[in-house]
Amino acid sequence: DIQLTQSPAPLSASVGDRVTITCRASQSIGSWLAWYQQRPGKAPKLLIFAASYLQSGVPSRFSGSGSGTDFTLTISNLQPEDFATYYCQQVASFPRTFGQGTRVEIK
Amino acid sequence: EVDLLESGGGLVQPGGSLRLSCAASGFAFNTYAMNWVRQAPGKGLEWVSTVSGSGSSTYYADSVKGRFTITRDNSKNTLDLQMNSLRVEDTAIYYCSKDARGYNQPIELWGQGTLVTVSS
Repeated sequence: DIQLTQSPAPLSASVGDRVTITCRASQSIGSWLAWYQQRPGKAPKLLIFAASYLQSGVPSRFSGSGSGTDFTLTISNLQPEDFATYYCQQVASFPRTFGQGTRVEIK
Repeated sequence: EVDLLESGGGLVQPGGSLRLSCAASGFAFNTYAMNWVRQAPGKGLEWVSTVSGSGSSTYYADSVKGRFTITRDNSKNTLDLQMNSLRVEDTAIYYCSKDARGYNQPIELWGQGTLVTVSS
C-alpha cells in the first residue's frame, strides 16, 4: 500500500502569510495526487487535483506542485477562512490513502 | 442541484450490523465511481471503499475487507454500505462521496456524513 506522510503537523501562521504543506508518498504516484480542505464540522472540499490543477471555484491563492513522491500545497496570502485542516490523497492505485492531515492554526 | 444525502447511521453494539444508504441527485449517477470515506472522532480521513460506475468493480480498505460490502442501484441512484461484525474502532462519521469522471480521479463531491457509533 502507498503511504502518504504530511508535514508539518500542525502549522501556525498569520493572516497574510504564505504557507507550504508537504506530502511525501512511499512510492512514485506520478501526478495522481489531490488536496482537500476540511473546516471543523464540515465535509472535506476538493482544492487541487492531478497535483497542480485548481478545482473550479477555488481561489487562486491555492496552488499545488510536485510529481513522483514529493508534493506541496501552497497558500499565498492566508485568509481567515483558510484556517482548517488539509489532507492529501493518492488516487494512483487502490487502496486509496490519505495523508494524516495538517492543521493550519492561527499564530 | 448536485447532492448526496446519507442515512442509516446510529448506535450499534460490537458485533452488530448496520446498513448505510446514500441518495444521489443532480448528476448522471451511473457514470461516476462512488466511495465511502470515514473519519473517527478527532482523527483524519480514512478511505473505506469504492465502487465503479457500473457496479462491477469494488475495492476495500484492509480494515473493513470481509466485513463491509459496497453496492449501488443505478436505477434508484443510491449507494449502500452494508457493515457487519462491527467493532468499536469502526466508530466514525461516514461520508458518501463521488469521484470526478474518469479513471484515477479525486473526490469532487461529498455528502454531509452520517455518524456510526459502535459501543456496548
